[in-house]
Amino acid sequence: AQKITQTQPGMFVQEKEAVTLDCTYDTSDPSYGLFWYKQPSSGEMIFLIYQGSYDQQNATEGRYSLNFQKARKSANLVISASQLGDSAMYFCAMRESYGAAGNKLTFGGGTRVLVKP
Amino acid sequence: KAGVTQTPRYLIKTRGQQVTLSCSPISGHRSVSWYQQTPGQGLQFLFEYFSETQRNKGNFPGRFSGRQFSNSRSEMNVSTLELGDSALYLCASSHIPENTEAFFGQGTRLTVV
Repeated sequence: AQKITQTQPGMFVQEKEAVTLDCTYDTSDPSYGLFWYKQPSSGEMIFLIYQGSYDQQNATEGRYSLNFQKARKSANLVISASQLGDSAMYFCAMRESYGAAGNKLTFGGGTRVLVKP
Repeated sequence: KAGVTQTPRYLIKTRGQQVTLSCSPISGHRSVSWYQQTPGQGLQFLFEYFSETQRNKGNFPGRFSGRQFSNSRSEMNVSTLELGDSALYLCASSHIPENTEAFFGQGTRLTVV
């Protein structure tokens, strides 16, 4: 079963507008972490924001905020005031911990965002 | 503070050859994970190393192996390369495995011909 689902393969957004990227996840682990990464055409994965499963408040990092709805198992990324440089692929990822067996990130399929001037 | 460094950035290899990729984590980070990214399969977890020990392994054949050195630098090796191994290989480093941040390098783009 797919653990991370990003239902929007691609979207356009007007410069200076806000955009919401959807992410739903599935896990039975009570302790997990949710990440969002940006991947420009250069290939580097740029860390944007993190939300822990026990965090009471939604995470925010500058223009990025994570709308965490635990009961619905969703972790949507909101980018405010879009800039041309925000054009990239965006990946949602979940970390599940396996104690001494370590942990890994499971990624969604990504959403390609193109910011229009 | 230097980021995660992966070398080389680009590689072209022939089927049947082997390849070694390197990842130097952020100073002080002891956990290194490797991921393969392809257009068809997306991002898939290969393995994770912590304190020179492999703690977790993804669903890849035994041709994919790795190791971690005492300075936390990690290498991954792919033997008997196949065309399907062409991919972007990314490594991520964390201060500890369960940390709230995982930083990636720029990746190594491997092309098998």
